Amino acid sequence: GENVEQHPSTLSVQEGDSAVIKCTYSDSASNYFPWYKQELGKGPQLIIDIRSNVGEKKDQRIAVTLNKTAKHFSLHITETQPEDSAVYFCAASKGGYQKVTFGTGTKLQVIP
Amino acid sequence: EAGVTQFPSHSVIEKGQTVTLRCDPISGHDNLYWYRRVMGKEIKFLLHFVKESKQDESGMPNNRFLAERTGGTYSTLKVQPAELEDSGVYFCASTTGNTDTQYFGPGTRLTVL
Repeated sequence: GENVEQHPSTLSVQEGDSAVIKCTYSDSASNYFPWYKQELGKGPQLIIDIRSNVGEKKDQRIAVTLNKTAKHFSLHITETQPEDSAVYFCAASKGGYQKVTFGTGTKLQVIP
Repeated sequence: EAGVTQFPSHSVIEKGQTVTLRCDPISGHDNLYWYRRVMGKEIKFLLHFVKESKQDESGMPNNRFLAERTGGTYSTLKVQPAELEDSGVYFCASTTGNTDTQYFGPGTRLTVL
């Protein structure tokens, strides 16, 4: 089955700096890669996703890149703000209504 | 539009007792999923309903876990008897099936003492 690895497990950045979280996946059949943000006491919330026919996607301060050959994908947050502090999960799926396989999470702390 | 709701938000039970978790998906979402996060590890898939049918239950850990979705609306996840290793946060998610996006509920934190 699919295995998703995520690094780093914790990340501290100064407000205004960039944060990068990296993930790898094992199943070449995976074609949908969502990123979730989980704040304290809440469930994971989708913040951005990318499909395997796209190499990069951007939404304001958030961008994701996908290297299908290397089975790598990354989340980039620019101009970080304290409200970006949360746990971020990368995930992989075969799309449609298929189950999602999550990485182990990255706890991001943005220091004011 | 109301999101995915879960009840209770927290549950503390003794080993050997029974607990039932409930999930109400977004209205009209035929696909419902259960996941759990144990001991700060990754969020792991448990099972997937399409309406009232179990589409994939490959993630269910053992026969102490029973999930139902009678009528294809809300779902329950029963743990009987609960063991210490069942402690964790149980998430429910739903989707229409026409989109890849799964919408997650706030989770139920289960503590087995």
